Amino acid sequence: DVKVTQSSRYLVKRTGEKVFLECVQDMDHENMFWYRQDPGLGLRLIYFSYDVKMKEKGDIPEGYSVSREKKERFSLILESASTNQTSMYLCASSLSLAAPNEQFFGPGTRLTVL
Amino acid sequence: AQRVTQPEKLLSVFKGAPVELKCNYSYSGSPELFWYVQYSRQRLQLLLRHISRESIKGFTADLNKGETSFHLKKPFAQEEDSAMYYCALRGRGGSEKLVFGKGTKLTVNP
Repeated sequence: DVKVTQSSRYLVKRTGEKVFLECVQDMDHENMFWYRQDPGLGLRLIYFSYDVKMKEKGDIPEGYSVSREKKERFSLILESASTNQTSMYLCASSLSLAAPNEQFFGPGTRLTVL
Repeated sequence: AQRVTQPEKLLSVFKGAPVELKCNYSYSGSPELFWYVQYSRQRLQLLLRHISRESIKGFTADLNKGETSFHLKKPFAQEEDSAMYYCALRGRGGSEKLVFGKGTKLTVNP
């Protein structure tokens, strides 16, 4: 069973803080993704990575950066948190381009920026 | 550009009634379509994909290329079907990116 875990379920930070959200998958998946989920807006892709040290911008990368130093770990960084980044953040992973590309999701991190 | 439209934010039906969640897409090539579901307090998970042509939990979805639609249907809704449903599209050609619709919240009333 694929397991995608996220470091925190709930997080409260202050405006201007640097925030790290961590995601780990245990199935040797090549691809990893960060989304934010907002009511009425659905899931929007922030960044994704198809290999270690590789990253690509998604649809809403502004204000975020990512790091993938190891295959199993994909970090989302908010350089200077702002209140409009209050959201539910979902991490996902999928196997590879050559295989059925079901994305497996983590439980989510609900981030509140005060 | 890839786009997925789910016209209904909310859908409410009674137990035993048929249910249809609408999904329309915009894509110039030949897409792969998916339905993902998120039950209360659970993680988002794949429900079905058009390639498999399968029925999961009584749900089916047929890709209609002429109408660019991928509606999700179930003949007899159950209370446990209450959840948030997202339609998603992946363009062929190698990208692993999924484009999601905004979601439809289904409530099945007793």
